[in-house]
Amino acid sequence: QSALSQPASVSGSPGQSITISCTGTTSDVAGYNYVSWYQQHPGKAPKLVISDVSNRPSGVSNRFSGYKSGNTASLTISGLQAEDEADYYCSSYSSTSARYVFGPGTKVTVL
Amino acid sequence: EVQLVESGGGLVQPGGSLRLSCAASGFLFSKYWMTWVRQTPGKGLEWVATIKQDGSERSYVDSVKGRFTISRDNAKNTLHLQMNRLTAEDTAVYYCGREDVSSVTVDYWGQGTLVPVSP
Repeated sequence: QSALSQPASVSGSPGQSITISCTGTTSDVAGYNYVSWYQQHPGKAPKLVISDVSNRPSGVSNRFSGYKSGNTASLTISGLQAEDEADYYCSSYSSTSARYVFGPGTKVTVL
Repeated sequence: EVQLVESGGGLVQPGGSLRLSCAASGFLFSKYWMTWVRQTPGKGLEWVATIKQDGSERSYVDSVKGRFTISRDNAKNTLHLQMNRLTAEDTAVYYCGREDVSSVTVDYWGQGTLVPVSP
């Protein structure tokens, strides 16, 4: 059982926007601005798309954006494209583990 | 270009040991915290261990404490994970990762190495 909660799946049509939520506690998401989001295509390693709640690393499309309110963080993908179909994991620093906790992952399907 | 290449995975029997390595290139290895994360179909991603730049601080997930040891050789730009007393619960793909110098996040990941623990 993962420490963070995410929906199992989210889908959208090309060009639409989707949002994935990530719910934690005061020991992780709510307590620190160290929420990250990773994209993982089948058989590949995770790729960082958002760090520090809303920071987009160099080279990541500006269609990806992050936000946090209280104990829930969100990843929004705007202008959905076929290449965005992947699994997405949230992660946060956790005072309980003294490092990272992850969500179970959300499968994004482009209809 | 940042590159992390894991090696050392493979089938191991319960109770056995294995040593994973991660060869780093394309960045100044000695300046970064380094981490191991594993992934299983049933449990998703799980943080395993992290080590400070000079090896003076190490932390582990509770389930591997006393069995796994993370270490590094800054002269050889290599990260290691010594895994002892392995159980079926340790079956996973193991990724090494570099931590962002100014944040608490894994900004680059290796391609992973599979460790199946089975009789």
